[in-house]
Amino acid sequence: DAGITQSPRHKVTETGTPVTLRCHQTENHRYMYWYRQDPGHGLRLIHYSYGVKDTDKGEVSDGYSVSRSKTEDFLLTLESATSSQTSVYFCASSRDTLPGTEAFFGQGTRLTVV
Amino acid sequence: GQQVMQIPQYQHVQEGEDFTTYCNSSTTLSNIQWYKQRPGGHPVFLIQLVKSGEVKKQKRLTFQFGEAKKNSSLHITATQTTDVGTYFCAVRSGNTPLVFGKGTRLSVIA
Repeated sequence: DAGITQSPRHKVTETGTPVTLRCHQTENHRYMYWYRQDPGHGLRLIHYSYGVKDTDKGEVSDGYSVSRSKTEDFLLTLESATSSQTSVYFCASSRDTLPGTEAFFGQGTRLTVV
Repeated sequence: GQQVMQIPQYQHVQEGEDFTTYCNSSTTLSNIQWYKQRPGGHPVFLIQLVKSGEVKKQKRLTFQFGEAKKNSSLHITATQTTDVGTYFCAVRSGNTPLVFGKGTRLSVIA
């Protein structure tokens, strides 16, 4: 597996508090992604980045923001956490978006908002 | 954007039985990828299909891309307990991130 690490691995937070999840990759991949995984919904894209300081929204971006100040780091922030954001969050990276380029996933962060 | 329907959502099989999951699109796909996620784990890339009618095998796993490039299947022969997990197809339209199907969760009863 590619070197992608997420932190924290588990977090419990209260409704209304801001939360930041971190993703770090050592593959020098240009593209990075944040997905959330919920039962019955599969993996849904929140935001993605196609380079330092270049980001774009995904399918379920409301309530989330991202930042990428270095190639290796991609941060996901829940500005004011809600119970609907309880989920497992996966970071992924890929070298490019050409056909055949696989995505490498981190171990995931289980976030519970109470 | 690109969407794919994956069926079935769940499949329970006896060990030794075969298993198939299907991924369908209403539009022509340029390529399709398959991933496996073990319980409690993260998705891991299995394979990519690009050509119309393409068939690829990995031991007991057979991947197929339809002639019209609108559907794909993953078939596992003689399932084992190590095959347990969720299998996802994923597609990409142009220069966009991967869009995943909802996955098929496979349970194998020993």
